[in-house]
Amino acid sequence: QVQLQQWGGGLLKPSETLSLTCAVYGGPFSGYFWSWIRQPPGKGLESIGQIFHSGSSYYNPSLKSRVTISLDTSKSQFSLKLRSVIAADTGVYYCARLSYCAEDCYAFDFWSQGTLVTVSS
Amino acid sequence: SYEVTQSLSVSVALGQTATITCGGDNIGSKYVNWYQQKPGQAPVLAIFGDNSRPSGIPERFSGSKSGNTATLTISRAQAGDEADYHCQVWDSSTGVFGGGTKLTV
Repeated sequence: QVQLQQWGGGLLKPSETLSLTCAVYGGPFSGYFWSWIRQPPGKGLESIGQIFHSGSSYYNPSLKSRVTISLDTSKSQFSLKLRSVIAADTGVYYCARLSYCAEDCYAFDFWSQGTLVTVSS
Repeated sequence: SYEVTQSLSVSVALGQTATITCGGDNIGSKYVNWYQQKPGQAPVLAIFGDNSRPSGIPERFSGSKSGNTATLTISRAQAGDEADYHCQVWDSSTGVFGGGTKLTV
């Protein structure tokens, strides 16, 4: 069974950089997109971006200027950096596997437990 | 950018059928996935590709689409089905989620 375990985040001050890392266990790293998703308190889910095992990435246009997703295939890990955080970046951050289900069909089929990130001065 | 809309809340009596809808412009041409999220937990994929169930998801959960609306149907609702349900489509190389619907049983 595929499992994703993440660490990092916590309490940040405005303008600092959020760093999260996600490790993948129990399944192949190659052949999949690996993604980050966040959820502000009491709100819905927002995709931050994803990276393919080859290294090609895509970011949500609303966050693109502040986000970098990278990966370490030797460790089956991928990471998120979000620069210049603001209060609106507060929320639970999840890493997830993104799987192809059909042409123009991709689903997030395995998720981490999530980490609460709070941005406050 | 593409937008997906969901009603804020739905109530269903124990043992009855719950229907949760998801709307979007020309959603009929897109595949819809559904996620169940219980309080304090990560989302779980419940339906993918409009109407396919991952292993471990009960047959009581089904998905359908008609016109500009996708529907998640939960038959014989149980207390354990009480959760937020999120729909998601793929558009412009990104996952787009609805705001989520809170199901009360």
